[in-house]
Amino acid sequence: TAGITQAPTSQILAAGRSMTLRCTQDMRHNAMYWYRQDLGLGLRLIHYSNTAGTTGKGEVPDGYSVSRANTDDFPLTLASAVPSQTSVYFCASSESTGELFFGEGSRLTVL
Amino acid sequence: GQNIDQPTEMTATEGAIVQINCTYQTSGFNGLFWYQQHAGEAPTFLSYNVLDGLEEKGRFSSFLSRSKGYSYLLLKELQMKDSASYLCAVMDSNYQLIWGAGTKLIIKP
Repeated sequence: TAGITQAPTSQILAAGRSMTLRCTQDMRHNAMYWYRQDLGLGLRLIHYSNTAGTTGKGEVPDGYSVSRANTDDFPLTLASAVPSQTSVYFCASSESTGELFFGEGSRLTVL
Repeated sequence: GQNIDQPTEMTATEGAIVQINCTYQTSGFNGLFWYQQHAGEAPTFLSYNVLDGLEEKGRFSSFLSRSKGYSYLLLKELQMKDSASYLCAVMDSNYQLIWGAGTKLIIKP
């Protein structure tokens, strides 16, 4: 059972470069989310999508963009990476407002 | 502003009981979640409380008092595999989750 698949697992990126983190789910959940997790801080919501074709901004959206062309895929793009975007990124999905199912995370280092 | 408070770190002994507290101040309330996160892994769902009282699920129980803005997660018969971070999250009036920073639980033999 795959659930949510994220890629890549880890990446080192030069500042100023662009990067897309991929997220695919096979549970047919309507809602999907991107979070970043930094030491000492709670999970912070970057962007979300309540259903295919719609997206919304979370708590920390600046420097990130998302798209939701279909139910299964929810990629996160960093247009021009900066060192403060060094973090662990988690994609998650849920049915409506219920329990979140998380991917295994993508560890991104921006130098 | 919205705020979730939980202790940064706790230590307990294998076989014992530990209670992890969570206090919250949010714009509205639509439920409180507890997640477990082992180091280097994704968070996984433990419990959901929306009404006051205790919800028991095996060795884990979760309590909620909405009037006090307070919840706790109770872990009984601690095992080494319970060493993890425990995340408290509250769903606000906009159905957005507000997360605490997590409590790192260290289990000693």
